[in-house]
Amino acid sequence: GAGVSQSPSNKVTEKGKDVELRCDPISGHTALYWYRQSLGQGLEFLIYFQGNSAPDKSGLPSDRFSAERTGGSVSTLTIQRTQQEDSAVYLCASSYSSEQFFGPGTRLTVL
Amino acid sequence: AQSVAQPEDQVNVAEGNPLTVKCTYSVSGNPYLFWYVQYPNRGLQFLLKYITGDNLVKGSYGFEAEFNKSQTSFHLKKPSALVSDSALYFCAVRDMVDDYKLSFGAGTTVTVRA
Repeated sequence: GAGVSQSPSNKVTEKGKDVELRCDPISGHTALYWYRQSLGQGLEFLIYFQGNSAPDKSGLPSDRFSAERTGGSVSTLTIQRTQQEDSAVYLCASSYSSEQFFGPGTRLTVL
Repeated sequence: AQSVAQPEDQVNVAEGNPLTVKCTYSVSGNPYLFWYVQYPNRGLQFLLKYITGDNLVKGSYGFEAEFNKSQTSFHLKKPSALVSDSALYFCAVRDMVDDYKLSFGAGTTVTVRA
């Protein structure tokens, strides 16, 4: 079946611009996660959605980062006023149990 | 807080030889441990997990891992490595309080030479 999909696969933007990254989880998965993967930082947890519960935003690095999940399915991660240190691969994952299924990621480059 | 450590940044082996990727953990209580693999330009793929039961866990692509409580280790193993096993491997532990969170190790790059 279809896995987790993310778009775009690559995004190049200029410092100060806003970007939106999209994640389509596996159908039926109630949990959705965003991670950031960057050199020297490994995999960082950003945010977690579970059903209709309030999301755990404890991993978001600053108030420039936000995420929403509409209708319990698709999620959008928004980064406002991007900075060069935001350059990384942003991974989305979904799950219905302990095993998380990851998407291919969006590689963000901030010039 | 719980954490995992992967002491080796890189592991190089010849095809056909045994492959071991090391992971040690630090948790209070019984750990839930995972191994994921990441191929170039791909997301992470689940290999196997330990929750309870047999200390030897078998997973995808011929991989297995041994949970060792006394050594607080969860090393990933494959008896005979393939060139196609060349990838980045991550060990992870589930948070004991927020059980949806995974803490990942820094990753180990495996290169299998023909």
